[in-house]
Amino acid sequence: DTAVSQTPKYLVTQMGNDKSIKCEQNLGHDTMYWYKQDSKKFLKIMFSYNNKELIINETVPNRFSPKSPDKAHLNLHINSLELGDSAVYFCASSQRETSTDTQYFGPGTRLTVL
Amino acid sequence: AQSVAQPEDQVNVAEGNPLTVKCTYSVSGNPYLFWYVQYPNRGLQFLLKYITGDNLVKGSYGFEAEFNKSQTSFHLKKPSALVSDSALYFCAVRDPNYGGATNKLIFGTGTLLAVQP
Repeated sequence: DTAVSQTPKYLVTQMGNDKSIKCEQNLGHDTMYWYKQDSKKFLKIMFSYNNKELIINETVPNRFSPKSPDKAHLNLHINSLELGDSAVYFCASSQRETSTDTQYFGPGTRLTVL
Repeated sequence: AQSVAQPEDQVNVAEGNPLTVKCTYSVSGNPYLFWYVQYPNRGLQFLLKYITGDNLVKGSYGFEAEFNKSQTSFHLKKPSALVSDSALYFCAVRDPNYGGATNKLIFGTGTLLAVQP
């Protein structure tokens, strides 16, 4: 069983388009995250939701809007895509109530903006 | 501010030899430290973590890491490398304060481990 899943795995689109990436976790965790990995493999957190509430919002353009319909899902919507948005986007989840809070990652979505 | 440094972009080691992937950290208070591995075109897989207790932490696939508070290091080690260990390894630190914007992982820049047969 896949613990953290993302769809789609690959996304190729034109500049200016709007696209969404979906994430689902079946681990029963209460916290979910979005990370961006750039072409140099740098990983940086973008957002975090705990029980559907936004708790981390890094310096991310407001073209990026996360949405959490329930604890098991955290989707990422991107408006007016730009070339610089090309990256691999990883979803992750954890259980904040434990002392360890290990984050488990999805397989990633490779976004290519042409 | 919390930070993690992985001083080596790449580590080369022959199969069967011991390997070390270095990580140093800077964090206020007691650190929570993690190692993740990323195989090509895959997501990050959790390897091991240090929260408290024994300085030597054992994890998946025969890996272990040693927490050294005086040197602020958390180096990843394995006694005998396998070709299948070749991957990108990330060290990460998490501020132990719960709640608010401090509850996030700060990743190092990654170290590519290449194990030659």
